[in-house]
Amino acid sequence: SQTIHQWPATLVQPVGSPLSLECTVEGTSNPNLYWYRQAAGRGLQLLFYSVGIGQISSEVPQNLSASRPQDRQFILSSKKLLLSDSGFYLCACSTGQYNQPQHFGDGTRLSIL
Amino acid sequence: SQQGEEDPQALSIQEGENATMNCSYKTSINNLQWYRQNSGRGLVHLILIRSNEREKHSGRLRVTLDTSKKSSSLLITASRAADTASYFCATDAKKTSYDKVIFGPGTSLSVIP
Repeated sequence: SQTIHQWPATLVQPVGSPLSLECTVEGTSNPNLYWYRQAAGRGLQLLFYSVGIGQISSEVPQNLSASRPQDRQFILSSKKLLLSDSGFYLCACSTGQYNQPQHFGDGTRLSIL
Repeated sequence: SQQGEEDPQALSIQEGENATMNCSYKTSINNLQWYRQNSGRGLVHLILIRSNEREKHSGRLRVTLDTSKKSSSLLITASRAADTASYFCATDAKKTSYDKVIFGPGTSLSVIP
């Protein structure tokens, strides 16, 4: 079965600092990968998804970027964080086959000061 | 606009009672999924129901789908305190990539011992 590793679990960063969140996947090859952001008490907003190495689709314009340097590695980055970047960031994967669920990591709680 | 929206936003019941959550969506779908999220954790997939299915069971969970009304319900029978969590429905959309889903804002369920 698929396992998603995300780190760190919590992160406190000053405004204007850079960001790098990493997500790695075990138990599957060539997965579809996703980055979501969840505001407190709200649903998930899809930020980026990737169907293969180097293939990134952005869902919303924002201060963030994503990269997929390896098949099972997905990185969320920012050059300069904004206060509005605070939130709970979740990485997910799916097999890419039809009608399959997504599997989630345990998320990173990002607070911008 | 959001594809899926859960109702109610919050639900509080006594242990042993049944909990029913509803999800409405706007456009045609291939499938609908329900996920659970414990506080501060990632989402866990519960059930996927295809558009040609009307009902599905998994343990104490029962999901129904009415494509004519564009709605689904999640029933948790004989609830336990450990069922306390947020529950999200997620829908794909036939006009988009089949592997992308849109999450609703969720129902927060509290089961009181």
